[in-house]
Amino acid sequence: AAGVIQSPRHLIKEKRETATLKCYPIPRHDTVYWYQQGPGQDPQFLISFYEKMQSDKGSIPDRFSAQQFSDYHSELNMSSLELGDSALYFCASSVRARWYGYTFGSGTRLTVV
Amino acid sequence: AQKVTQAQTEISVVEKEDVTLDCVYETRDTTYYLFWYKQPPSGELVFLIRRNSFDEQNEISGRYSWNFQKSTSSFNFTITASQVVDSAVYFCALPRGTGGFKTIFGAGTRLFVKA
Repeated sequence: AAGVIQSPRHLIKEKRETATLKCYPIPRHDTVYWYQQGPGQDPQFLISFYEKMQSDKGSIPDRFSAQQFSDYHSELNMSSLELGDSALYFCASSVRARWYGYTFGSGTRLTVV
Repeated sequence: AQKVTQAQTEISVVEKEDVTLDCVYETRDTTYYLFWYKQPPSGELVFLIRRNSFDEQNEISGRYSWNFQKSTSSFNFTITASQVVDSAVYFCALPRGTGGFKTIFGAGTRLFVKA
């Protein structure tokens, strides 16, 4: 079965650079969620999109933005990267009506040096 | 407030021992779901189980079993005859609200299974 695809798997950036993470949801899923997991921490909700509109927002820094495109894939853009942005970034997708069944992608490990 | 507490930060067992990971949750919702995820050293989050608040039956899947008790707001996870491959961080999680857009995770329990 198709899963949530995230790219890239690993990314190394320097401070103050910009990074773009991509998420391709499971086919026919209309909702995408982004989570950030710092070292040794639990995943923290960043933002979600339903039908290309932002549906909920968590502790996402102003330097970060995200959107969901017409093909339902989503991109998380992070600018002016800081060392503290080094983390695992997970994307998950679901059908909104069955949100309880969402599945996480394998994550993108971002390292800021 | 919605909250998930995993009081055990780390547990270390020897292979073939049974181990129980505790999860206590708080929610004002009358209908809710609870999840357990496994995060092996490779980093991905692996879905283990979902339980809804109407179903208090315990569930067994191979060496895994879950004990859901609404009266004590607990959803504990037991691994029977643990194996080295069970070494991972285990998260208990509670989707927040009826939309479930935000999932509240516990802090996780790191399980070490020694050979």
